[in-house]
Amino acid sequence: GQNIDQPTEMTATEGAIVQINCTYQTSGFNGLFWYQQHAGEAPTFLSYNVLDGLEEKGRFSSFLSRSKGYSYLLLKELQMKDSASYLCAVMDSNYQLIWGAGTKLIIKP
Amino acid sequence: GAVVSQHPSWVICKSGTSVKIECRSLDFQATTMFWYRQFPKQSLMLMATSNEGSKATYEQGVEKDKFLINHASLTLSTLTVTSAHPEDSSFYICSARVTEETQYFGPGTRLLVL
Repeated sequence: GQNIDQPTEMTATEGAIVQINCTYQTSGFNGLFWYQQHAGEAPTFLSYNVLDGLEEKGRFSSFLSRSKGYSYLLLKELQMKDSASYLCAVMDSNYQLIWGAGTKLIIKP
Repeated sequence: GAVVSQHPSWVICKSGTSVKIECRSLDFQATTMFWYRQFPKQSLMLMATSNEGSKATYEQGVEKDKFLINHASLTLSTLTVTSAHPEDSSFYICSARVTEETQYFGPGTRLLVL
């Protein structure tokens, strides 16, 4: 079966760095996405990785290792507004998104 | 960037009534749109894939007669929840496919069935 695993909840301090991991097992791979979702809102796109390596975009970076079925989202200089759920999703061979359950990130002052 | 809208954003209805949710791509055409449902503290669950001009493809466990999908134009897909019950209360989100790798999400519709 297809499976996406990510931690349920993480806590970090304002100004610090946090890494959210995601492991996956899917039928085929056409890229891995990270989305941010604030409570009661639709997800917003953060990053897309299809090749191995690190993609940096401002305070957010995303890493992918296809051989290990592993990705992480790195958030630097954390701000209170970064408190949200972070969803990992993999696009399978049929170009459908398989979603993780999301990681709730709590930022403390 | 591409914009997808949903209407209404909030709906409260009585049990047994039907509710229609619209999903529009505002500045691009989308031959394929997706409908998702999200229960509290759970991940998005794909309900169905809506293709313009043809029947929707439903995921296993989703009742096609209860969740009617119509994708009559390249910019509009509708989801109708028929004979809604309290267990249908959820957050319904649509997305529109721009390319194979890219889809844009609507803001979501929160449905509460009393």
